[in-house]
Amino acid sequence: DTEVTQTPKHLVMGMTNKKSLKCEQHMGHRAMYWYKQKAKKPPELMFVYSYEKLSINESVPSRFSPECPNSSLLNLHLHALQPEDSALYLCASSEGPYQETQYFGPGTRLLVL
Amino acid sequence: TQLLEQSPQFLSIQEGENLTVYCNSSSVFSSLQWYRQEPGEGPVLLVTVVTGGEVKKLKRLTFQFGDARKDSSLHITAAQPGDTGLYLCAGGGSQGNLIFGKGTKLSVKP
Repeated sequence: DTEVTQTPKHLVMGMTNKKSLKCEQHMGHRAMYWYKQKAKKPPELMFVYSYEKLSINESVPSRFSPECPNSSLLNLHLHALQPEDSALYLCASSEGPYQETQYFGPGTRLLVL
Repeated sequence: TQLLEQSPQFLSIQEGENLTVYCNSSSVFSSLQWYRQEPGEGPVLLVTVVTGGEVKKLKRLTFQFGDARKDSSLHITAAQPGDTGLYLCAGGGSQGNLIFGKGTKLSVKP
């Protein structure tokens, strides 16, 4: 089983809202990632968690706040987003850090009004 | 800076034709991955190539990793409309992230 699940599938939020994106994997992977993908562009890395600790933050604005409650779960908390943050948010996991084979979830399509 | 250049960027062909997509870099990668992505969905892993010169086959798809591990190709034989999608190559970056090529958007017309 190489499944990564993400909820919700779609999300519409206003600029003053607070929402969270959720990601889950049960493959025993110890590295999890958040990517942002704009239309017609490849995914761009946002955060990397390695053994439940944040190891990489690609200079992401503080209105995005990641959280890794346990080795299977990864959240992305959203607050005071801007319309330009509208994108497909992808979660991925790999067996360990620096394991280059990453498995992606289906993504959350986010629209900020 | 590690970069992956994919070509062509767009490809529109008729059902039954063959095609090749290229992924090139001036950097050496320990492995390269190929993903296929449908609109609004996450990338789905097709293959990981690890050894220089390696050839892997997945039904009508043939993947090759260059001898110097700087390039890779994806060849599709007798393309079908179901092959339509965005094909992405990706390699490991120095921080454990994935570096993606810009993708090849393939359209196979019946």
